[in-house]
Amino acid sequence: QQKVQQSPESLSVPEGGMASLNCTSSDRNFQYFWWYRQHSGEGPKALMSIFSDGDKKEGRFTAHLNKASLHVSLHIRDSQPSDSALYFCAAKEEASSSFSKLVFGQGTSLPVVP
Amino acid sequence: EAAVTQSPRNKVTVTGGNVTLSCRQTNSHNYMYWYRQDTGHGLRLIHYSYGAGNLQIGDVPDGYKATRTTQEDFFLLLELASPSQTSLYFCASSDRGYAEQFFGPGTRLTVL
Repeated sequence: QQKVQQSPESLSVPEGGMASLNCTSSDRNFQYFWWYRQHSGEGPKALMSIFSDGDKKEGRFTAHLNKASLHVSLHIRDSQPSDSALYFCAAKEEASSSFSKLVFGQGTSLPVVP
Repeated sequence: EAAVTQSPRNKVTVTGGNVTLSCRQTNSHNYMYWYRQDTGHGLRLIHYSYGAGNLQIGDVPDGYKATRTTQEDFFLLLELASPSQTSLYFCASSDRGYAEQFFGPGTRLTVL
């Protein structure tokens, strides 16, 4: 069973609209989350991390973490065609330590439709 | 921004063949990683390293060897390639074990 589950698998959003992506960890040890974005033909690139309960905003992107439910979401405001990509949620056991592995979800495909 | 390069970008081999995928990072990062990406599975960690000569086992290591020859260079070896290893392979690096990972452009491997 995948320890990090993302939903939906695919989400179409109109240009200028709001996109909401979800991610849940089934392992209570994984409480620290990253969002990565992968454009077609490229490697993934980190968007943002969130380690504390509540919201974290970076430009048009807002992440929300609820540690009690092990749920994190990513909201994209005013979606642009350049936001069309595959979005990965990744979870880890420790916020900062010598090392802890990142475990990735299966990804959410987000096409932004003009 | 961190630079991670991979070669080759595309590779086709036959079952039982030997393949070496190469990765180089030019930012003196301590940690380097090899992942495979498959639809429905996301990215899965094969091997990782926290310095030259060091190697750690990831989550899906079977059928893969890796070697970190220098701070910059990390190689993934498939000694008897099988069709199940057909995938998109990514190398990544990070300054610390908990920091942002920087990914290369990927190598698409097809095993016939």
